[in-house]
Amino acid sequence: DADVTQTPRNRITKTGKRIMLECSQTKGHDRMYWYRQDPGLGLRLIYYSFDVKDINKGEISDGYSVSRQAQAKFSLSLESAIPNQTALYFCATSDAGQGIQETQYFGPGTRLLVL
Amino acid sequence: DQQVKQNSPSLSVQEGRISILNCDYTNSMFDYFLWYKKYPAEGPTFLISISSIKDKNEDGRFTVFLNKSAKHLSLHIVPSQPGDSAVYFCAARFQGGSEKLVFGKGTKLTVNP
Repeated sequence: DADVTQTPRNRITKTGKRIMLECSQTKGHDRMYWYRQDPGLGLRLIYYSFDVKDINKGEISDGYSVSRQAQAKFSLSLESAIPNQTALYFCATSDAGQGIQETQYFGPGTRLLVL
Repeated sequence: DQQVKQNSPSLSVQEGRISILNCDYTNSMFDYFLWYKKYPAEGPTFLISISSIKDKNEDGRFTVFLNKSAKHLSLHIVPSQPGDSAVYFCAARFQGGSEKLVFGKGTKLTVNP
């Protein structure tokens, strides 16, 4: 079974709709992240959470919100979807205990299309 | 302003030859660098990393070189295999405990049989 799972894998929605993307992990990591990837661009950080009570905005948080329901779950919401939020969304986790060698492990991604 | 730059969107090499992927950065506060590989319809997977206190790290066919004075790192794949065909992302992390990564735009590597 995959260590980091994302649901749904694909989603088509309409402008103005509220949608939620979910991420679950079985790695036991305390840190979780949400990124988006657009064609020709690298991954850009939306939100990150270092533990259940710690939520931080990333580079492009406008139009998004998150919820860290448990150590293993981190959800991303688009309150009112707009077409330029069409992108590939990735969840990632990392283990602070790795120290300087901490790396992030990514889920398979959710492809979102906003019409 | 892009802090991590991968100036080559694509690279094509023959199987068995060396692949060299380049990455430049602008912020001297980065202390750790990583390479990720991404296949279509999958998430990025960690490949290899290097701390700013080193200038080389090797793992099998993959070697990363860091030139701090030039703010440049490169990933060497020797020998290249068709299964290495993927998009490669360079990423950098700031000093001071922040675990946020800054990614480059990626280089699509195609290894031809």
